[in-house]
Amino acid sequence: EAGVAQSPRYKIIEKRQSVAFWCNPISGHATLYWYQQILGQGPKLLIQFQNNGVVDDSQLPKDRFSAERLKGVDSTLKIQPAKLEDSAVYLCASSLGLTGELFFGEGSRLTVL
Amino acid sequence: DAKTTQPTSMDCAEGRAANLPCNHSTISGNEYVYWYRQIHSQGPQYIIHGLKNNETNEMASLIITEDRKSSTLILPHATLRDTAVYYCIVRVAEMGSNDYKLSFGAGTTVTVRA
Repeated sequence: EAGVAQSPRYKIIEKRQSVAFWCNPISGHATLYWYQQILGQGPKLLIQFQNNGVVDDSQLPKDRFSAERLKGVDSTLKIQPAKLEDSAVYLCASSLGLTGELFFGEGSRLTVL
Repeated sequence: DAKTTQPTSMDCAEGRAANLPCNHSTISGNEYVYWYRQIHSQGPQYIIHGLKNNETNEMASLIITEDRKSSTLILPHATLRDTAVYYCIVRVAEMGSNDYKLSFGAGTTVTVRA
């Protein structure tokens, strides 16, 4: 079974530039999550989708972050404009939603200079 | 969600059992205990979860105290590949809901030594 795919794996940008991350969840998984993990900390939930609807985006900094999940499959997370403190690994996860078992991708590491 | 308390770090010897404690003294009756681990440069990986009974799978065992205020994750025969950050999380699993968002703390950094 293919896992959660994310790209790019690494991205370096300058502050005030924009960046987009892509996630393809496991086939059939209705629930998709984006987490932000700053070095030395545990992952922090940014947004949760159920199919193509948003369940929870209370921790998403909406002035600069946006996310969408068109057609209830792939998802994109965008940051515009980026700040230095956005340097982190952005993790995508998906689940069937039946057991609470989340499957994570390897993450996209963002460095903002 | 109830907060959890875990030691910052611990070492264990290869081939021995590793016992990882977690305190969740404010856990509610409908909250499950989940364990995940994160190996360096990878995404977190689900290990096991339970409500009140002890659970075992191919990766680990989960022992939950009778009052449910603490639990222990047991890796029966630790290997070098078990070196990782281990997260203990409590979360409500709402009936009929697909809302299984998990809130991660800092976890325990486990180092398995040869």
